[in-house]
Amino acid sequence: DGGITQSPKYLFRKEGQNVTLSCEQNLNHDAMYWYRQDPGQGLRLIYYSQIVNDFQKGDIAEGYSVSREKKESFPLTVTSAQKNPTAFYLCASSIAQGSYEQYFGPGTRLTVT
Amino acid sequence: QKEVEQDPGPLSVPEGAIVSLNCTYSNSAFQYFMWYRQYSRKGPELLMYTYSSGNKEDGRFTAQVDKSSKYISLFIRDSQPSDSATYLCAMRKRTSGSRLTFGEGTQLTVNP
Repeated sequence: DGGITQSPKYLFRKEGQNVTLSCEQNLNHDAMYWYRQDPGQGLRLIYYSQIVNDFQKGDIAEGYSVSREKKESFPLTVTSAQKNPTAFYLCASSIAQGSYEQYFGPGTRLTVT
Repeated sequence: QKEVEQDPGPLSVPEGAIVSLNCTYSNSAFQYFMWYRQYSRKGPELLMYTYSSGNKEDGRFTAQVDKSSKYISLFIRDSQPSDSATYLCAMRKRTSGSRLTFGEGTQLTVNP
C-alpha cells in the first residue's frame, strides 16, 4: 500500500533534549512538508522540501531542523531551542510543486515535560 | 490578523441536517481552495478542491467559492454520524508553489 508513515505515534521527552520525528513516503512524491497543529491555530508550516537535498523554511521554522537526503524520507528534529515543542506534528507530501493535493501521514503527538 | 479565518465551532447537528462550514480570507492572491477532513487523532484528507468562483458538487458535498467576497463554504447534505470530524479549509496563492495556508478547522459532530 502506498502512503506516508510517521513514527512513533506518541513521543515523550524531557525538556532540553533534541528529538527526531520520522516521516517516510512510498508515493514517489517530490515535495514533502512538516506542519505543526495546535488547538486554535490550525496547521502551520514548519519546513518544506521540493526536491532531494533542498528545503526551505516555513512560517515557524525556529527551533526546528530537517534533512532531505533521500526522496522518500524527510525527518524533523525538534531542538531544545524550540520554546513550546508540545504539539501534534504532521508530515505531508505532494507530487510536485504546484500540486494542490497534499497527502498527510497519521501524525506524531510530541509531549515535552 | 490571520490571512484565513474559520469559526472553530464546535458545531453539533442532528443526523440528516444540512451543514454549512465557512472560511473567509483577506488576501486576493489566494486562487485555489480546498477542504480537508480530519478525523480525531488522524492526518487530514482532501475532500474537495476548486479554483473558480461558483459551486462544485461531489455526492453529498458542495464547495462554494465567492472570490468577490473572499468567502468559501462547504455544504454537507443529509449529514451522517460518520461525517463527525474537523473540517479545515486551505488555500494556495498562484505564486506560492505548493504552500498551503490553512484555517484553524471547524469541529463538527453529527448526532444519530
